[in-house]
Amino acid sequence: GAGVSQSPRYKVAKRGQDVALRCDPISGHVSLFWYQQALGQGPEFLTYFQNEAQLDKSGLPSDRFFAERPEGSVSTLKIQRTQQEDSAVYLCASSDPGTPNFFGYTFGSGTRLTVV
Amino acid sequence: EDKVVQSPLSLVVHEGDTVTLNCSYEVTNFRSLLWYKQEKKAPTFLFMLTSSGIEKKSGRLSSILDKKELFSILNITATQTGDSAVYLCAVLVYNDMRFGAGTRLTVKP
Repeated sequence: GAGVSQSPRYKVAKRGQDVALRCDPISGHVSLFWYQQALGQGPEFLTYFQNEAQLDKSGLPSDRFFAERPEGSVSTLKIQRTQQEDSAVYLCASSDPGTPNFFGYTFGSGTRLTVV
Repeated sequence: EDKVVQSPLSLVVHEGDTVTLNCSYEVTNFRSLLWYKQEKKAPTFLFMLTSSGIEKKSGRLSSILDKKELFSILNITATQTGDSAVYLCAVLVYNDMRFGAGTRLTVKP
């Protein structure tokens, strides 16, 4: 696609509910990143994929957070037993190591998760 | 612990003013520093800086990196209302970026 697509745009979850956030990166982009952005803060790194391999998950805040990218394209970030502190915008970004601005990531518009 | 600190946190100017946004960092394994503009939700890429002292320019925006003093500045000249946004500084370490909290710039007509 022309850009990074994330869905849903907004999600309201009751505390304790499981949620799944989807990211559709730019076609052919090898690298995919998930970030969490709390209100008034900069994005915080969660995890990184190169193709289907999850190379770094050091930013995932707890074992309730799980990400996958089984075929090396679409990725899903799953949060189990959501808590109020999980409320944030979840940003997905992709990049292509072959381009000159490799680390000029293209971000999606994010999913705003509100846990009530 | 890696730190990226931006200042000021917010700034209000009038159209035509020139602004300077600051970013200082303390990280291990520094690779590059990047600036992004965030209006709604998706940050959009502005600059990537890897070498000290080389200014990058794009229209009214310019940026420079000082790797000795560990900071970068983003300048915007002749500001316009469309420049109103949050400007994020990020430092690339290994495979991921550490972001600062951002500077919220408001340009009044």
